[in-house]
Amino acid sequence: KQEVTQIPAALSVPEGENLVLNCSFTDSAIYNLQWFRQDPGKGLTSLLLIQSSQREQTSGRLNASLDKSSGRSTLYIAASQPGDSATYLCATNTGTASKLTFGTGTRLQVTL
Amino acid sequence: GAVVSQHPSWVICKSGTSVKIECRSLDFQATTMFWYRQFPKQSLMLMATSNEGSKATYEQGVEKDKFLINHASLTLSTLTVTSAHPEDSSFYICSANSPLSGANVLTFGAGSRLTVL
Repeated sequence: KQEVTQIPAALSVPEGENLVLNCSFTDSAIYNLQWFRQDPGKGLTSLLLIQSSQREQTSGRLNASLDKSSGRSTLYIAASQPGDSATYLCATNTGTASKLTFGTGTRLQVTL
Repeated sequence: GAVVSQHPSWVICKSGTSVKIECRSLDFQATTMFWYRQFPKQSLMLMATSNEGSKATYEQGVEKDKFLINHASLTLSTLTVTSAHPEDSSFYICSANSPLSGANVLTFGAGSRLTVL
């Protein structure tokens, strides 16, 4: 059974800092891995999706990497802004009817 | 792009009543939809897979008689929480795979927050 863990659980940084969020998973036989953003009380916004054959994906200030063999993914956020404050979730797709297994989340706060 | 809509976005009900949550795929047909539950400050847990025209598949530990799922059309799945109790208060989110998004890529609804008094 896939288990997804995210470290740290919470993070507070001053505006402008670059930061890295970590995601690890136990079953490396994944189809893809996705990073989501969730604002308090809201649904999920997909940020980046990395297919199993890819090593990284970039969108604006966000860069996600994937190392399947070691069961790890990182989300790099450059030049953080207060608007980046949210919970970030990673999720793996093992291809079983597209079911996703979500990580525990990292709650990010970017301060002025 | 693919859009999944949920209704209601929030609902408050009395203990013992039943509540229905709708999940619609607005611009695509979805033979399969997924229902997740998220308790406060916890991650999303898959509850069940909703299959159009057939019975839903429930994850271990999820009571199928309590969480009734109906997927009567290719664009609508409903989740009914029967005889709701305060411990059922949670954030319920549905998702579906749209051909527009590619294989194994899910689009999520905005979620429905249920509070049982």
